[in-house]
Amino acid sequence: EAGVAQSPRYKIIEKRQSVAFWCNPISGHATLYWYQQILGQGPKLLIQFQNNGVVDDSQLPKDRFSAERLKGVDSTLKIQPAKLEDSAVYLCASSLDRRRDTQYFGPGTRLTVL
Amino acid sequence: AQTVTQSQPEMSVQEAETVTLSCTYDTSESDYYLFWYKQPPSRQMILVIRQEAYKQQNATENRFSVNFQKAAKSFSLKISDSQLGDAAMYFCAYKGADKLIFGTGTRLQVFP
Repeated sequence: EAGVAQSPRYKIIEKRQSVAFWCNPISGHATLYWYQQILGQGPKLLIQFQNNGVVDDSQLPKDRFSAERLKGVDSTLKIQPAKLEDSAVYLCASSLDRRRDTQYFGPGTRLTVL
Repeated sequence: AQTVTQSQPEMSVQEAETVTLSCTYDTSESDYYLFWYKQPPSRQMILVIRQEAYKQQNATENRFSVNFQKAAKSFSLKISDSQLGDAAMYFCAYKGADKLIFGTGTRLQVFP
């Protein structure tokens, strides 16, 4: 069974530029999550989708971050414009359902904002 | 609000020995799940072990086992017969009705 796929693996941009990350969850997983992990910290949830609807985006900085999950499968996370403090690893995870099931993580995208 | 605390920023163990990583949590919920994830330098979070709060029996996965003390809200991870490949960051995580909450992690070093 294929795991969660993410691309790109690494991205370096200058502040005020825009960037987008892509995630393909495990086949059949209805719930998809985006996390931000700053160096030295545990991951923090940015947004959670159930199929193609948003369940929780309370910690998403909506003035610069946006995310979508078209057709309930792949998802894209965008940052526009980027700030220095956005430098982090962005992790995508998926699970069969959002209440009981284990979340499985992708390899992450390491973003550096200069 | 739920919190997860890992009080050991770093731990070290010699190959083939046993090490225990500590985790405590705070919650008022009765139905929840606890996890240990491993994050090697590649940064991918890998599930190590999962415990359902309603189960009294401690979860075990090969060399990995937990000591789940529900009343004390403690969830420690024991790694037996440590291997060089066990070196990584280990995160304890809590999942109740809301989002998955992670601790700050423990960096485990394994010496030959």
